[in-house]
Amino acid sequence: GEDVEQSLFLSVREGDSSVINCTYTDSSSTYLYWYKQEPGAGLQLLTYIFSNMDMKQDQRLTVLLNKKDKHLSLRIADTQTGDSAIYFCAESPGGATNKLIFGTGTLLAVQP
Amino acid sequence: GAVVSQHPSRVICKSGTSVKIECRSLDFQATTMFWYRQFPKQSLMLMATSNEGSKATYEQGVEKDKFLINHASLTLSTLTVTSAHPEDSSFYICSASDRGTEAFFGQGTRLTVV
Repeated sequence: GEDVEQSLFLSVREGDSSVINCTYTDSSSTYLYWYKQEPGAGLQLLTYIFSNMDMKQDQRLTVLLNKKDKHLSLRIADTQTGDSAIYFCAESPGGATNKLIFGTGTLLAVQP
Repeated sequence: GAVVSQHPSRVICKSGTSVKIECRSLDFQATTMFWYRQFPKQSLMLMATSNEGSKATYEQGVEKDKFLINHASLTLSTLTVTSAHPEDSSFYICSASDRGTEAFFGQGTRLTVV
């Protein structure tokens, strides 16, 4: 089956770095995504990485991709209280861009 | 980025009635739209892929007669929850693609069936 796994909860102090991990299953996924969801709201795309890359940096966000282990991570530098949310990784199975299989979600709690 | 508008954002309906949720791409044409469902504190599950001018493709376990999808134009897809029951209460989110890298998500619809 298609199971994208994430740890359920992460707590960090403001100013520290946060690392959220994700394990996906479909090696043919062309793109891998990170989304942020605040309470009661829709999804906000944070960043994505193409499967032939192993790292992508976008301001405070760094995505690392280990294709061999099917492991994806999102690092948030200098985490702020406004970063508190649920973070979902998602894969595009079979390379079908835009049809997404989401991870279980990680609740990030940032302590002041 | 592109804008996808979903309406209504919240709806409460009585058990046994039907509810229609609209998903519109405001500034681009979307040949394909996706409908997801999210249970409280859980992930998003893909329900169906909506193709303009043709029948939707449903994921395994999703009742097509229960969740009617219509994609009549390149900017509008609708999801109708028929004969709603309390177990249909959920957060429903659509996304639309302009065939680029990114799928753009609507704001979601909180459905409560009483």
